[in-house]
Amino acid sequence: KNEVEQSPQNLTAQEGEFITINCSYSVGISALHWLQQHPGGGIVSLFMLSSGKKKHGRLIATINIQEKHSSLHITASHPRDSAVYICAVDNTDKLIFGTGTRLQVFP
Amino acid sequence: DGGITQSPKYLFRKEGQNVTLSCEQNLNHDAMYWYRQDPGQGLRLIYYSQIVNDFQKGDIAEGYSVSREKKESFPLTVTSAQKNPTAFYLCASRPVGQGADYGYTFGSGTRLTVV
Repeated sequence: KNEVEQSPQNLTAQEGEFITINCSYSVGISALHWLQQHPGGGIVSLFMLSSGKKKHGRLIATINIQEKHSSLHITASHPRDSAVYICAVDNTDKLIFGTGTRLQVFP
Repeated sequence: DGGITQSPKYLFRKEGQNVTLSCEQNLNHDAMYWYRQDPGQGLRLIYYSQIVNDFQKGDIAEGYSVSREKKESFPLTVTSAQKNPTAFYLCASRPVGQGADYGYTFGSGTRLTVV
């Protein structure tokens, strides 16, 4: 079993829909990261969380430390949100990555 | 603007040849990392360095070597001993010991194809 599990693996949506991507982990962590990877391959860091909730524009990330679970929400989704979203946890100075959720938003 | 530069973006090599991937950062970050990405798998750690002239093996270090002679540079050599070198390679960095906000910065990656 992977130490970081994401669901769903693939997600399609119509423009404007509310999107939720989930991440569960089984190891102790000091922080959790949500990352975005576009088709060219480069990765952008969206959020780093150690507790509670963070919001940036249409993106919201939450974490529940007791349940070892985090969610990434996208409100009013847009085709430019199409990308792979990756959850990663900080474990003893190293990141452990989920396999990613591929999101496609259609106009 | 500060960031990480990986070069080249695409690299083709013949089987049996060593190849070096470049990673340079101007963020003054202490820690640097190399990850490998294969289809359907999460990124896996190859090597990392938290200080100049020191580095540690990650989970899949066999067939790879690194050096950290300067703070801003962390080149990765894929040697002929690496059995399946075709992959996407990502470099990352982060500050160390600066409190809670120690987020990672990632490069744009190098896609290596060995033929």
